[in-house]
Amino acid sequence: GESVGLHLPTLSVQEGDNSIINCAYSNSASDYFIWYKQESGKGPQFIIDIRSNMDKRQGQRVTVLLNKTVKHLSLQIAATQPGDSAVYFCAENEGTGRRALTFGSGTRLQVQP
Amino acid sequence: GAVVSQHPSWVICKSGTSVKIECRSLDFQATTMFWYRQFPKQSLMLMATSNEGSKATYEQGVEKDKFLINHASLTLSTLTVTSAHPEDSSFYICSELEGSRETQYFGPGTRLLVL
Repeated sequence: GESVGLHLPTLSVQEGDNSIINCAYSNSASDYFIWYKQESGKGPQFIIDIRSNMDKRQGQRVTVLLNKTVKHLSLQIAATQPGDSAVYFCAENEGTGRRALTFGSGTRLQVQP
Repeated sequence: GAVVSQHPSWVICKSGTSVKIECRSLDFQATTMFWYRQFPKQSLMLMATSNEGSKATYEQGVEKDKFLINHASLTLSTLTVTSAHPEDSSFYICSELEGSRETQYFGPGTRLLVL
């Protein structure tokens, strides 16, 4: 079965608030993680990635945190905007030389104006 | 990031027919591309890894004779759904690997509806 899962299927936030989307993974050998954003009817869009030798990485308005001890990944979106409404997926690379990704089940982010 | 296109963006076909979906890398040569399938309100499931110049590697449970993959050039991989049935109706998405990294960039997807 899937080795990556999410705590919340739907997250509703007010515009301007910060959003936190969580993801749990089970494969301790995974060494590379990516967050994707998928809008309805479109392919996933790369947001940010992080390697297992890091615990935090920041981008524009987004931050990814990695806690390897509890195998937990989170995506923080600052000052959430209506355009951030989408389904967010975490994905992991198993680090075995196999370059495919395993995707989590996804969280829908709804931004209320 | 990498730019990937897919064609067609949507297709409707009759049961029993075959459908070909193209995935193109527009900005660099991709030796490895991936094909995923996504059912409504579900996550992406890897179908196969497409390797330029060699046979594709299929995931467990994916029939290689039904989902034919050809990666004859460094910029094009094709997925052919043979003898399509209504249960093959899905959103098919390809991705390419950026160089030596593991980052995958995805195409816009192809919506397949089999009647």
